[in-house]
Amino acid sequence: DAGVIQSPRHEVTEMGQEVTLRCKPISGHNSLFWYRQTMMRGLELLIYFNNNVPIDDSGMPEDRFSAKMPNASFSTLKIQPSEPRDSAVYFCASRGLAGASEQYFGPGTRLTVT
Amino acid sequence: GDSVTQMEGPVTLSEEAFLTINCTYTATGYPSLFWYVQYPGEGLQLLLKATKADDKGSNKGFEATYRKETTSFHLEKGSVQVSDSAVYFCALGAKGGGADGLTFGKGTHLIIQP
Repeated sequence: DAGVIQSPRHEVTEMGQEVTLRCKPISGHNSLFWYRQTMMRGLELLIYFNNNVPIDDSGMPEDRFSAKMPNASFSTLKIQPSEPRDSAVYFCASRGLAGASEQYFGPGTRLTVT
Repeated sequence: GDSVTQMEGPVTLSEEAFLTINCTYTATGYPSLFWYVQYPGEGLQLLLKATKADDKGSNKGFEATYRKETTSFHLEKGSVQVSDSAVYFCALGAKGGGADGLTFGKGTHLIIQP
């Protein structure tokens, strides 16, 4: 099993640019989660999907952030326009069958907005 | 709401020392509890878990016991190695595998010196 795959691993962009982060969950998993990690705030849940449907996006910080899951094997997190305070590591995680609470994390995307 | 409190780090120990990282939680109902480990530049990896009171999770020499009476899930290891140096996160999840994301503590940075 390849695990959760995220791309790119590193992204450096200028303020105002659009940024798209990508995630491929583990095959067969039906829940997908996007987290953000910063030194100041730790790990924060941004949004999660169950069976490709967004369930709770209350953690999305602003309207500049949006996430989609067009099918069971792909999700995107988009920031438009990006700002320096969006600099963080963004993790995607997936979870399998109901009754199994553990999540499996991807390697993360380190985003730097200058 | 749910919350997790971990001891502040960094925690610095010598090789072969005994390790305890404290974790307490606040939650409604009876959540599942987890310890995740994050090595430098990597995503979070599930280290161990416990799904009900008095369960003991164990892996790679690490142990943690789900204590409902003290709402705690302290991580222990009898003899640490340099390779255990990492950031450790305590987390709780919805009982029964609900679609909610995990609630994480802020993480404890462990440094093991040879």
